[in-house]
Amino acid sequence: AQKITQTQPGMFVQEKEAVTLDCTYDTSDPSYGLFWYKQPSSGEMIFLIYQGSYDQQNATEGRYSLNFQKARKSANLVISASQLGDSAMYFCAMREGASGTYKYIFGTGTRLKVLA
Amino acid sequence: DSGVTQTPKHLITATGQRVTLRCSPRSGDLSVYWYQQSLDQGLQFLIQYYNGEERAKGNILERFSAQQFPDLHSELNLSSLELGDSALYFCASSVGSGSPYEQYFGPGTRLTVT
Repeated sequence: AQKITQTQPGMFVQEKEAVTLDCTYDTSDPSYGLFWYKQPSSGEMIFLIYQGSYDQQNATEGRYSLNFQKARKSANLVISASQLGDSAMYFCAMREGASGTYKYIFGTGTRLKVLA
Repeated sequence: DSGVTQTPKHLITATGQRVTLRCSPRSGDLSVYWYQQSLDQGLQFLIQYYNGEERAKGNILERFSAQQFPDLHSELNLSSLELGDSALYFCASSVGSGSPYEQYFGPGTRLTVT
């Protein structure tokens, strides 16, 4: 079974609009972390945002926010006021395991295209 | 620029050969992570080192090995290369072992096995 599922292979959004990229996860560990990364066409991986399983508040970083719904095991990324430079692949990832034995699992990604 | 450097940027080699990929973490970072990104497997975590010691292991093949040196740079050794090993190999670093949200990626090494 997939541990990280990103069901949207591709998304379009109009510039200045908000967009939500979906991510669901599966783990039995009580302690885990969820991440989102951006990979532009140039290839580098850029860390965007992190949510710990015990964090009470949804994480926010500038225009990025993580809509964390623990009971539903979802960690959707919301990008507000989309910009042309947001066009990229977006990966959701999970860290599970105990300290010292962490493992990182990535989803298959969502390709976002921002339209002018 | 994340501050993580990887060399070489591109590598083309033949099946059966052995290559070494090098990574220098950001100044002050003690953890180094290796990832493989291929078209069919997506992004896979391979292995993590913290201050010279192996800390976590993912889907790393037995033909692959890694180490982290006293100066904290790391090398990923890939041997008996197969066509399927063609991929983008990323190194990432973070300050600690338990602070993965501070993980910064290098630009990657693109390996092509012919």
